[in-house]
Amino acid sequence: QSALTQPPSASGSPGQSVTISCTGTSSDVGGYDSVSWYQQRPGKAPTLIIYDVNKRPSGVPDRFSASKSGNTASLTVSGLQADDEAVYYCNSYADNNIGTLGGGTKLTVL
Amino acid sequence: EVHLEESGGGLVRRGGSLRLSCAASGFTFGSYWMHWVRQGPGKGLEWVARIKHDGSFTIYADSVKGRFTISRDNAKNTLYLQMNSLRTDDTAVYYCVREAWRYSFANWGQGTMVTVSS
Repeated sequence: QSALTQPPSASGSPGQSVTISCTGTSSDVGGYDSVSWYQQRPGKAPTLIIYDVNKRPSGVPDRFSASKSGNTASLTVSGLQADDEAVYYCNSYADNNIGTLGGGTKLTVL
Repeated sequence: EVHLEESGGGLVRRGGSLRLSCAASGFTFGSYWMHWVRQGPGKGLEWVARIKHDGSFTIYADSVKGRFTISRDNAKNTLYLQMNSLRTDDTAVYYCVREAWRYSFANWGQGTMVTVSS
């Protein structure tokens, strides 16, 4: 049950785009199209922003997009807004009916 | 609208026990896999346990295996987490989570705080 690897921090100016990576193995990210991403603002519960690698739940702006290549998934936030400042976590289904979470990336809007 | 409300958190001494509950509403509870996910103070998210929609399958993180038990009562739309032999590193906010699609944590409760004192 090793955690997926995310950079601890990322930043960008308003209006810019920023990409956050999430690296796993062939037993999780690379083996399944079941990567999801979550946004957690301070003091709040996380919310789902991407599921099944690149799908957005209803109500999530299309400024949030995601993809996967091999064992690495990526989340891109375009047109950065102050409200996007949060911690972002990735998650993937893995072998043996379990999943694995990333360590989280703190996104700062400069 | 999906709503998950945890209860049962509190202060407990090391080695003690606590049972968390999660009341679910706004969806057909008995049709979904459910999870507990926790977050220690200032830390990231940690998956704890998963249970199949009918309760016939459960699986746990290595850190809680043998000490925690996830269960559900579909007639009461309630998820449980029985926590025994609590350790100080179990101190965390515990979230009840509904799984949707394949292993996506689609809905989260507001969380309940568990503090284990030494």
